[in-house]
Amino acid sequence: DTEVTQTPKHLVMGMTNKKSLKCEQHMGHRAMYWYKQKAKKPPELMFVYSYEKLSINESVPSRFSPECPNSSLLNLHLHALQPEDSALYLCASSQGGAGSYNSPLHFGNGTRLTVT
Amino acid sequence: DQQVKQNSPSLSVQEGRISILNCDYTNSMFDYFLWYKKYPAEGPTFLISISSIKDKNEDGRFTVFLNKSAKHLSLHIVPSQPGDSAVYFCAASEVGGKLIFGQGTTLQVKP
Repeated sequence: DTEVTQTPKHLVMGMTNKKSLKCEQHMGHRAMYWYKQKAKKPPELMFVYSYEKLSINESVPSRFSPECPNSSLLNLHLHALQPEDSALYLCASSQGGAGSYNSPLHFGNGTRLTVT
Repeated sequence: DQQVKQNSPSLSVQEGRISILNCDYTNSMFDYFLWYKKYPAEGPTFLISISSIKDKNEDGRFTVFLNKSAKHLSLHIVPSQPGDSAVYFCAASEVGGKLIFGQGTTLQVKP
């Protein structure tokens, strides 16, 4: 069982909908991440929060809006998405702050998002 | 520009034999390397890592080798088991930098 929990597991939304993806970890990790993974491709970094502050935004379109309410929770708010945004969205956490040496990422099982 | 490359999209081995997965990188500033395993419908699972000051790290059936001069690392799985069948991602980072993943290699271990 993964120690990073993501909900929902599956989400289908229309292009005009607003939805949110949620991620939770209770390992005391100080950095949390959102990745996007398309089929047969590696995970691509979207956002990094380090000590609850946004430290990296990989030029992600504004229709994706991250939020870190506290050190254990990470949300990704979705609005006006496009069909090409359909993908597996992965949350991860790591013990140190972002980029800490020798601190592997622990991933959740992801949310499979389909935009219709 | 792909900084981390896994040139073999797939690998098939017989149960009990050795699986060797390869990874090449171009950024000489990378100093931390990891291998992840991914089953369908699950997130990547951390397997093993190695820092640039070492050339080998072993954990049970899994051993990672690092050749800095060749900018090459490999993952050895001995003995291979059918449950090892998955996609394996190599990843690398600089100090304070983000993690860069390779394209992945699909390993099939046949009974």
